[in-house]
Amino acid sequence: DGGITQSPKYLFRKEGQNVTLSCEQNLNHDAMYWYRQDPGQGLRLIYYSQIVNDFQKGDIAEGYSVSREKKESFPLTVTSAQKNPTAFYLCASSTGFFSGRPNTGELFFGEGSRLTVL
Amino acid sequence: QQQVKQSPQSLIVQKGGISIINCAYENTAFDYFPWYQQFPGKGPALLIAIRPDVSEKKEGRFTISFNKSAKQFSLHIMDSQPGDSATYFCAAGTHFGNEKLTFGTGTRLTIIP
Repeated sequence: DGGITQSPKYLFRKEGQNVTLSCEQNLNHDAMYWYRQDPGQGLRLIYYSQIVNDFQKGDIAEGYSVSREKKESFPLTVTSAQKNPTAFYLCASSTGFFSGRPNTGELFFGEGSRLTVL
Repeated sequence: QQQVKQSPQSLIVQKGGISIINCAYENTAFDYFPWYQQFPGKGPALLIAIRPDVSEKKEGRFTISFNKSAKQFSLHIMDSQPGDSATYFCAAGTHFGNEKLTFGTGTRLTIIP
């Protein structure tokens, strides 16, 4: 089955530690995204990538880093510089701007990773 | 200017009633307006979407109404069912969704028997 796989589902971290959240997709999508979800604040964009080896900052990129070395993978690192890292993190993908294929604009989301900083 | 404002924050509707969630935007460059549905512990999934060349789109019990001059759009759920209980997010994007989406803050909908 095609889809987005995020891991781990739950993660606990001590203050001062970096953690990396995994996101893999087998939908052959060009574009991938990381969103952060907090109660009452909706989904806020952290980083996005329209194509391999390129990514752009979203609205709340400070304290986060990403890489896009493969089309299928878009890992997110939450660094110790992120002041309030406890949140639900969602990865998504879409056909993308450069694919040349018909694009409905639909985002396909993974089931999320819940990070708690102790 | 990139914000999308969503209301209400939470909504309780009786089974069989109509649920209405509203969103407003500022950026006139937005040309794609989707609604996403999220169940607890899951990622959001696309429910229905509209482009500004039409004022209404209906899919089953779900309807989007779009008012371009007022820069507002809304989701109507007819004959609301307990299975519709979820969090709903409106969103807006440019280039027909090919670029990043800006999401509203979400509405937690509860349908009571």
